[in-house]
Amino acid sequence: EAEVAQSPRYKITEKSQAVAFWCDPISGHATLYWYRQILGQGPELLVQFQDESVVDDSQLPKDRFSAERLKGVDSTLKIQPAELGDSAMYLCASSLGGGVYNSPLHFGNGTRLTVT
Amino acid sequence: SQELEQSPQSLIVQEGKNLTINCTSSKTLYGLYWYKQKYGEGLIFLMMLQKGGEEKSHEKITAKLDEKKQQSSLHITASQPSHAGIYLCGAPTHGSSNTGKLIFGQGTTLQVKP
Repeated sequence: EAEVAQSPRYKITEKSQAVAFWCDPISGHATLYWYRQILGQGPELLVQFQDESVVDDSQLPKDRFSAERLKGVDSTLKIQPAELGDSAMYLCASSLGGGVYNSPLHFGNGTRLTVT
Repeated sequence: SQELEQSPQSLIVQEGKNLTINCTSSKTLYGLYWYKQKYGEGLIFLMMLQKGGEEKSHEKITAKLDEKKQQSSLHITASQPSHAGIYLCGAPTHGSSNTGKLIFGQGTTLQVKP
């Protein structure tokens, strides 16, 4: 079964450093999501892409976070500079698009970020 | 803003017992997703409910959607250790059903004792 690929699985960085996460969605999936999950909580949407365009980035802390999906396929999420409060699981998901009733979101295994 | 509240927050059951997890929305539900997550891993899609009164089953897991109560329940029959994990409900907010954005509850952690 096709999967959403994410790397790295784990990342430890010092505060004020830059960090980047990569996501490769399921082939053919037009919609890509980046969620952040703090331990003990549910995931929260950071940014959503439709092909290469940003659909929703209202919860993305734009002073330090950036995301891109240049060719409408894989995506990179960057944090610069990282802060202690950024420690969390960063999850990428993809779907065929066309609304929630047409295609469920499929999630990758995430990147566990620890900021020291 | 809409919020999803799950209950209980955690649950420990003996293998073979039945259990129910609830997900209550603060606003109208336009569909409801259930996911399972093992600790430190991604979310695995279980099922999606679109209409009020809809009920779906997969193996020993059954989910129902009660639109009037703005609530969904997930029921596991004859629990097994493989059912252990974190169960999360997710829902589209008003206006986001076309974009695919989901909000999530805080999760219910299930432990099944052999």
